[in-house]
Amino acid sequence: GQQLNQSPQSMFIQEGEDVSMNCTSSSIFNTWLWYKQDPGEGPVLLIALYKAGELTSNGRLTAQFGITRKDSFLNISASIPSDVGIYFCAGLEPNSGYALNFGKGTSLLVTP
Amino acid sequence: GAGVSQSPSNKVTEKGKDVELRCDPISGHTALYWYRQSLGQGLEFLIYFQGNSAPDKSGLPSDRFSAERTGGSVSTLTIQRTQQEDSAVYLCASSPGPLRTDTQYFGPGTRLTVL
Repeated sequence: GQQLNQSPQSMFIQEGEDVSMNCTSSSIFNTWLWYKQDPGEGPVLLIALYKAGELTSNGRLTAQFGITRKDSFLNISASIPSDVGIYFCAGLEPNSGYALNFGKGTSLLVTP
Repeated sequence: GAGVSQSPSNKVTEKGKDVELRCDPISGHTALYWYRQSLGQGLEFLIYFQGNSAPDKSGLPSDRFSAERTGGSVSTLTIQRTQQEDSAVYLCASSPGPLRTDTQYFGPGTRLTVL
């Protein structure tokens, strides 16, 4: 599978600021997923997107499935210290119904 | 808890030794996946099980890697004659079934260090 282009690689922000990260691919995906990984833990699913153009929120998190089906973004509003972690995008290609393709992650640091 | 569990959490081994990593999926989940996460990288797909069969082994990096699943539940990933480049975190995930492979729930991983 292909590796997705995820940016930025890292972010260092102050508590209360909004955060935006995105992922792009060279091919279309049927599903976009956003995960968060804390140190020593496995990734935890935050948001799943299934349709082009879909905009979905989960508390302070909002994610969108790009209309070209080749990109997605994740926004975090009013960041708090517990938002610290690594955020990964992942996608499923049309002909592969199970092998998730992952980005390299965005490392988020939040200072009080 | 009711999540995916993996053991051991950490494994240090010498180059050339064999290792076995275990995954216990969420009860009732028929689909199981193994991924590898190298330092600073995203997750790399290794293998997928539906029940006890593995329709896709294409992600296994070499013939030193093998995996099995028995009873439709526990899975074991075996790495023979380990090499230093095998050092990584090995993550297991499960999902409810073949129609819901997008919602994969991950375990905490096994950190493998090959000296």
